[in-house]
Order: sequence, then structure tokens, then C-alpha cells
Amino acid sequence: DQQVKQNSPSLSVQEGRISILNCDYTNSMFDYFLWYKKYPAEGPTFLISISSIKDKNEDGRFTVFLNKSAKHLSLHIVPSQPGDSAVYFCAASDDDSWGKLQFGAGTQVVVTP
Amino acid sequence: DGGITQSPKYLFRKEGQNVTLSCEQNLNHDAMYWYRQDPGQGLRLIYYSQIVNDFQKGDIAEGYSVSREKKESFPLTVTSAQKNPTAFYLCASMNPRRAKNIQYFGAGTRLSVL
Repeated sequence: DQQVKQNSPSLSVQEGRISILNCDYTNSMFDYFLWYKKYPAEGPTFLISISSIKDKNEDGRFTVFLNKSAKHLSLHIVPSQPGDSAVYFCAASDDDSWGKLQFGAGTQVVVTP
Repeated sequence: DGGITQSPKYLFRKEGQNVTLSCEQNLNHDAMYWYRQDPGQGLRLIYYSQIVNDFQKGDIAEGYSVSREKKESFPLTVTSAQKNPTAFYLCASMNPRRAKNIQYFGAGTRLSVL
């Protein structure tokens, strides 16, 4: 049973515009959420995270929003750049899991000129 | 440079053969993880280790085995019992005392069946 879901397998956005990636989860015990970026044939790289005690975390062009009541988080990339073209994974864990992450299926982002 | 090294990059397995994927890290991280990625799916946890000489099964451990004899190394063996081994395998490590839940990944090994 998939506990983390990314329902949009792909997203196309123009350079300079905003990319919004969505992620839903079912396990109410999750208290830490991460976004990873992955290029083909490479390992994922950590992008940004948020703890359940916050509803927003910002790092440069990347902002993650968390809505605990809706069990939903989103990643905003503003402005989108061609180098942002990659697969983005949402991941979640709970405090007792010792770093065991549950990943979503990923969203392929393509930034067009 | 500190990081995680996985080898080989590509690996082919014959029917009935066991193969071992290497994962080495020089980040001085206590915890290490093995994931499997299939097309169109997220990463699924195979095994993880919190400390040397200890490891735990993840969500899809059947057909796999691991060892953790050294802090730096966490090899994964794909046994002949794993009937569908073709996938992209990723190793990760984490320092839970410094950056809880943030795992750092190697470049992966792509395993195919001949």
C-alpha cells in the first residue's frame, strides 16, 4: 500500500514560470518530509525538507508547503530554469523510523525555453 | 571528496547466479540503506543498517542479503531467489545525529538479467 503518492507523473513548464509539484500522504505518523531531485542514471540529491511543526520552508527558488490537515505537501520552484528538468521525488518518514523513507513515484519536470 | 561510491555501474546476472553490488561511503555515516527503483515507481527499501554488524529488513527484502562488517561498506547480494532482479539499485547513507532523515545517495547500479 503506497503511503506517499505523487499523482502527476509529468509536468511541463516554461522557463521563468512557476513549477508546482504535489504530494499526498496517508500515514498520519509521518512528521518529516523531503524532496529529492534525480537526473537519469544518477542517484537522487536532497533538495529541501520540512518538519511537521512548520507549514512552509524556503530555500532560494524552492519552497515547500505542508498542509497537515489535508495530508498534502507541495514544492514550488520559482522561477523555473532548464537545469530544473529532472524527476522530483517526495519522501516522508516518522520519528521512530530511523531514517526509513517512503517515496512517491516521482514527477518528471520538463522546463522548456 | 566525501561521498558514496557504488560499483559496478552496470551488472548482468545469469539465471541462478548470485551477484553482489558494492557500496562504500567515506562520510563517516552510521546508517546505510539499499533501495530498488523500477520504472515509473518510487524507491523501495530493501535493507538498512543503523550500525556495524546490525541490519534490518526493509519493505522488499526477499531474495536479497546484506552484510555490515565495516562502517564504510554495505554490500548487497541479489540471490537466485530474487525472481525479478532487473532494476536500478541505489545505496544511501545518513548521519542521524547531524541531519536527521536526510539521506545521501550513490550514483546507482543498473542490474539486468541475461
